[in-house]
Amino acid sequence: DAGVTQSPTHLIKTRGQQVTLRCSPKSGHDTVSWYQQALGQGPQFIFQYYEEEERQRGNFPDRFSGHQFPNYSSELNVNALLLGDSALYLCASSLKRQGGRANEQFFGPGTRLTVL
Amino acid sequence: LAKTTQPISMDSYEGQEVNITCSHNNIATNDYITWYQQFPSQGPRFIIQGYKTKVTNEVASLFIPADRKSSTLSLPRVSLSDTAVYYCLVGENRGNKLVFGAGTILRVKS
Repeated sequence: DAGVTQSPTHLIKTRGQQVTLRCSPKSGHDTVSWYQQALGQGPQFIFQYYEEEERQRGNFPDRFSGHQFPNYSSELNVNALLLGDSALYLCASSLKRQGGRANEQFFGPGTRLTVL
Repeated sequence: LAKTTQPISMDSYEGQEVNITCSHNNIATNDYITWYQQFPSQGPRFIIQGYKTKVTNEVASLFIPADRKSSTLSLPRVSLSDTAVYYCLVGENRGNKLVFGAGTILRVKS
């Protein structure tokens, strides 16, 4: 049973460029959340997708957008990259109606984005 | 969501029991307490979740006093591989966004 997978593992971009990160959730999961983790800090919630719609959004500008596909996989797009967007981007999957441990999300290894 | 306060770092030796305490004075009635572990270059991993009293699983125990204003994650007989960042999260158990603080860096030495 494959866990959460993300691609690419590393990415280098320059300021102003656009980037797309990809995530495949754990088998059987229907909800995907994205987090940004700067060096030395805890992950910060970007948004969550369920049934192909954005359901919750954190305090991130509109430059950050996403998509969820019918097979539950997801993409994170960031436009007009800034130096401050350099971070580890984590995807987490979960099952919307899993009952007792609803706060258990399964994280992928992340994509390390460097903006020069 | 309730704000949490944890020690920035802790040191321990192999074989010892480690207790990491988290303060959450503004915890709401519907809030649960969840702990995650993160190794370098990996995503966080769920450890344990509880609402009150004591919860134990194969990895750790979680102690929550009656007033629920704090909680303690207990790791029995740690090994070098337990060196990681441990995050305490507080929020409703609804599968929504997780709010991470800075976490506690645990260093286990031989």
